[in-house]
Formats: sequence, C-alpha cells, structure tokens
Amino acid sequence: DVQLLESGGHLVQPGGSLRLSCAASGFTFSSYAMSWVRQAPGKGLEWVSGISGSGTSTYYADSVKGRFTISRDNSKDTLYLLMNSLRAEDTAIYYCAKDRGSLLIGLDVWGQGTTVTVSS
Amino acid sequence: QSVLTQPPSVSGAPGQRVTISCTGSSSNIGAGYDVHWFQQLPGTAPKLLIYGNSNRPSGVPDRFSGSKSGTSASLAITGLQAEDEADYYCQSYDSRLSGYVFGIGTKVTVL
Repeated sequence: DVQLLESGGHLVQPGGSLRLSCAASGFTFSSYAMSWVRQAPGKGLEWVSGISGSGTSTYYADSVKGRFTISRDNSKDTLYLLMNSLRAEDTAIYYCAKDRGSLLIGLDVWGQGTTVTVSS
Repeated sequence: QSVLTQPPSVSGAPGQRVTISCTGSSSNIGAGYDVHWFQQLPGTAPKLLIYGNSNRPSGVPDRFSGSKSGTSASLAITGLQAEDEADYYCQSYDSRLSGYVFGIGTKVTVL
C-alpha cells in the first residue's frame, strides 16, 4: 500500500522557519512527482509546491515563492518543505501528496497532514 | 478567490442525483488540462474520487462520475447516500500559474 507520513509541524513565531518532512513507502518514490498542499482552518485546499520525480524541476504558488523551498531525497524516499519567513497566514494543515506521473499530472494519494501554527 | 469556480454548497435527498460544476478558463481546463476530483470527509485528508476528467480509481463506487467540456467540468453523484456528506474539490493544472489550482470546494449535504 502507498503510504505518506508527514512530520515536522509545530508552533512557530512569525518570521521563523520550519522544515516539514514526508516519508513515503509502497511505491518507487523517484518515479513520481510530489506536492505539498495546505488547508487553513475552515478553508479550502491550496496547492503550495511541487517537485518532479528526479528533483530537477520545482514549482511554487505565488503566495510562497521566495520563502519556501521544496526538495526530495530519493535515496531516503523522503520529501521536504523548508519554510522561511513564516507568516500568520501560513497557519494550516500541510499535506504531502503523490502525483500520478513523474511530472505534474494530477495528485492521487495524500498523507494525513501535519499542522503548522504561526503565532506569537 | 479560486481560479476554478465551484458552488459553495449543494444538497439533495437520499437517492437523488446532484451535480457539482467546476468552471475554469483558457489557461487551465480550457487549455486541455485534465480535471480531478477529491472528496474530503470531515476531519480527514482528501481522497481521489475522479482522475483524468472521468476515470474512477479502484474502490470508488460507480455512483460517482465526472465529465468535462470546454472550460468546465462536473461531478455527478447518483443515488445520494448519507455517507456522501463531505466537501468536494476540483483540481487542474494552470499554465499561466505553472502549477496546480483547486476550486473553493463544494459542501454536499444529504437532507
């Protein structure tokens, strides 16, 4: 079974940094693009960032461009999201999601999410 | 304001048919990019319901169906059941934004 397990969510002060991780299992990790999607409290889904299977191509939503960095370690089957200059509006559940192809085609399996709270 | 437009809510009695629309533009759905649908039950992660406009993953009941035409797509639920109460999101790729876009989500209520 495909499984995605996020970790690293925490309470952080505005302007702070945080790194999220997503451990993948049950599929050939390097063959698939991956994304981070967030959901603010009581709100809808917002795609944050994506990365190709090889890791050579990265994509970002305008709301996080220049502040967040997505990366992956295919030797460890792990996806990361480094978040800098955090703002209150970054408060959300962050989900890691597997794509259906090696580039951005469409998301299929999602993790259970990790909660990030940005507050003083 | 989401790039893809969905109605905030739809409702129906058990056994009825409901549809959810998803309207995009020439840079996403109208450009030929596929539309996917996700179901999110309260307190849980989203689950893929329809991929590639009209395809159901294994395990998804055939009560759920998807279609796409022009700059719009729709999700239909026939034989509505109490367990279908959830939020439903459409998703596609946008060439102008160079990334994925979601609709605002539609809450389905079973009366």
